[in-house]
Amino acid sequence: GESVGLHLPTLSVQEGDNSIINCAYSNSASDYFIWYKQESGKGPQFIIDIRSNMDKRQGQRVTVLLNKTVKHLSLQIAATQPGDSAVYFCAENTRETSGSRLTFGEGTQLTVNP
Amino acid sequence: NAGVTQTPKFQVLKTGQSMTLQCAQDMNHNSMYWYRQDPGMGLRLIYYSASEGTTDKGEVPNGYNVSRLNKREFSLRLESAAPSQTSVYFCASKQIRGLIKNIQYFGAGTRLSVL
Repeated sequence: GESVGLHLPTLSVQEGDNSIINCAYSNSASDYFIWYKQESGKGPQFIIDIRSNMDKRQGQRVTVLLNKTVKHLSLQIAATQPGDSAVYFCAENTRETSGSRLTFGEGTQLTVNP
Repeated sequence: NAGVTQTPKFQVLKTGQSMTLQCAQDMNHNSMYWYRQDPGMGLRLIYYSASEGTTDKGEVPNGYNVSRLNKREFSLRLESAAPSQTSVYFCASKQIRGLIKNIQYFGAGTRLSVL
């Protein structure tokens, strides 16, 4: 079946380094992708999104890249800070007759070392 | 602006007991969702309501029922709780028009243990 998955379950970086979190998706009909951040004990928080007709989108310290040829999505965090430590999920949006829905990947635990 | 509010935050049930998880949003969103999250896993969709008056099954609907009470509220009911339903439950909502459509906003979660 269709799925969204992450290459790395854990990622450890030094404070100030750049972080790259990867995600593979398999549903070519997905029209929209979202990255969420989930801190311990909290609900997922929206970070950045990208439409399927785009290759790159930048936010504050974050950049999302979309490669539709290989069905790959990445989240880049510049100058990673301890407050960035969390689990990061990618999600793909697909349209259905009853409305659109998100399918989430398993998540990557990002740990930022001081 | 509270966003998405879930109650209760924590709950312990015995096998066979029933309970209803409550969710309310004050953002005037059309669509609402219920997910479960198990340790080390992503979120799996249980049920969703694309608009007031409609509900549809998600990926893991067995053992659950939902009610879209009005535009603000979407409840999830466990009729006979089982240990396999021990999980963290998240409610989410989203707008379906405008610049911020497709972005789901989540509540803080309900942590449920079934003994």
